[in-house]
Amino acid sequence: EVQLVESGGGLVQPGGSLRLSCAVSGFTISGHWMHWVRQAPGKGLVWVSRISSDGSTTTYADSVRGRFTISRDNAKNTVYLQMNNLGAEDTATYYCARLNAVAGPVWGQGTLVTVSS
Amino acid sequence: DIVMTQSPLSLPVTPGEPASISCRSSQSLLHSNGNNYLDWYLQRPGHSPQILIYLASNRASGVPDRFSGSGSGTDFTLKISRVEAEDVGVYYCMQALEPPTTFGGGTKVEIK
Repeated sequence: EVQLVESGGGLVQPGGSLRLSCAVSGFTISGHWMHWVRQAPGKGLVWVSRISSDGSTTTYADSVRGRFTISRDNAKNTVYLQMNNLGAEDTATYYCARLNAVAGPVWGQGTLVTVSS
Repeated sequence: DIVMTQSPLSLPVTPGEPASISCRSSQSLLHSNGNNYLDWYLQRPGHSPQILIYLASNRASGVPDRFSGSGSGTDFTLKISRVEAEDVGVYYCMQALEPPTTFGGGTKVEIK
């Protein structure tokens, strides 16, 4: 069974940092681009970042570029999102996903990040 | 960035009746390989998004055949032939032609 399990969310103060993890089972991530997508409470889906299958290429939304860093450990079949200098606007549920339509999109259950003092 | 615009924002539906959602992109999603890089997702309350339609018109595995997708270029439509109670939730279109991946604002489908 294919599963993506996000972890690392929680309550953090403005200006703080968090590292999200996405542990994947059921397929090998080394053959796939992987993505992070977020959803603020009651709002729509917003793409955040992606990383190529070998980790050599990363792309970010303008709103997080310079503050967030996506990475992957293919040996551990895990994707990460390091988030620094967090602000209230970053409060959201963060989803890890394989978005390739032909391979079959798969999403995790999400992890909630709350930025508040 | 490619802007995705969905309509309507809200869609009250009667079980057994058809429903239709529109999605327009600010630029063509037609790739030179002939595929339109437009996907449709349903997010049920309290759940992650699930794929319904990929590459504009291909039904994902396990998706009931009452769901269909059509369109090309900049105009796309998701149709539900006969709405069932389990179809409630928010529907999103998503373009995967070029980064950044962008989503429509969502269409909330609810039972009348």
